Amino acid sequence: DTGVSQNPRHKITKRGQNVTFRCDPISEHNRLYWYRQTLGQGPEFLTYFQNEAQLEKSRLLSDRFSAERPKGSFSTLEIQRTEQGDSAMYLCASSSQWSGGRGTQYFGPGTRLLVL
Amino acid sequence: TQLLEQSPQFLSIQEGENLTVYCNSSSVFSSLQWYRQEPGEGPVLLVTVVTGGEVKKLKRLTFQFGDARKDSSLHITAAQTGDTGLYLCAGARRDDKIIFGKGTRLHILP
Repeated sequence: DTGVSQNPRHKITKRGQNVTFRCDPISEHNRLYWYRQTLGQGPEFLTYFQNEAQLEKSRLLSDRFSAERPKGSFSTLEIQRTEQGDSAMYLCASSSQWSGGRGTQYFGPGTRLLVL
Repeated sequence: TQLLEQSPQFLSIQEGENLTVYCNSSSVFSSLQWYRQEPGEGPVLLVTVVTGGEVKKLKRLTFQFGDARKDSSLHITAAQTGDTGLYLCAGARRDDKIIFGKGTRLHILP
C-alpha cells in the first residue's frame, strides 16, 4: 500500500496529557499537510510542510501544538497539555509540488483523538 | 477570507433517484477536488477538475467545473445505498493551499 498512513488510528487520553501522532506521506510527495476535523465540519487547515520546512501555520495551531518533519519524509504532530476541546479527527494529507498547480491532496485515514 | 459554500448540507433520498450537490465560491481556483468521506475514515479523492467548463464522469457520478472556475457541481444518477457519505469539495489556490467546504451529508435510503 503506497497511500498516506497515520498512526495511531485512535487515541484516548486524559486531559493534561501529551499525545503524538505520526503521518507517513506518499513517498514521492514533498508536501505534507495536517488538518483537524470535528463532527459535521470539513477539514480545517493546521499546518503544512514543503520538504522539511514548515511553511505555514494556522492560527488554530496554538502554542500547545507542534509539528515536525525532520527529514522531509514522515511528520509528527504533538499536542501538549491536551484539553477536551482538542477532541477531533486529525488528518494528514500529501501532495507533490510538481503537480502542475492542481493541488490534489491525498489523505490518510486519520487519527481520532478523544480527550477525557 | 475565501469560502466554499456547499449545498445542500444534508440530503436524504430514495435509492434510484438522481441528485445534484453544489459547491460555490466568489473566488477563482486553479483546480477543484471532490472527496467522499465515510465515518471514521479520511476523505477519499473522487476527481480533480482543472479547466473551466470541464466535465468528468466517474460511473454514475458527473462532475462539472464552472466556466469561471468559481463553482462546481456533482450529479449522481440512480443513487445507490453505497453512495451514502460526506461529500467534500475543496478548491486549490495558485499557492496550492486547499480551501474546504463543510460538506454535503448524503444518505441514500434502501
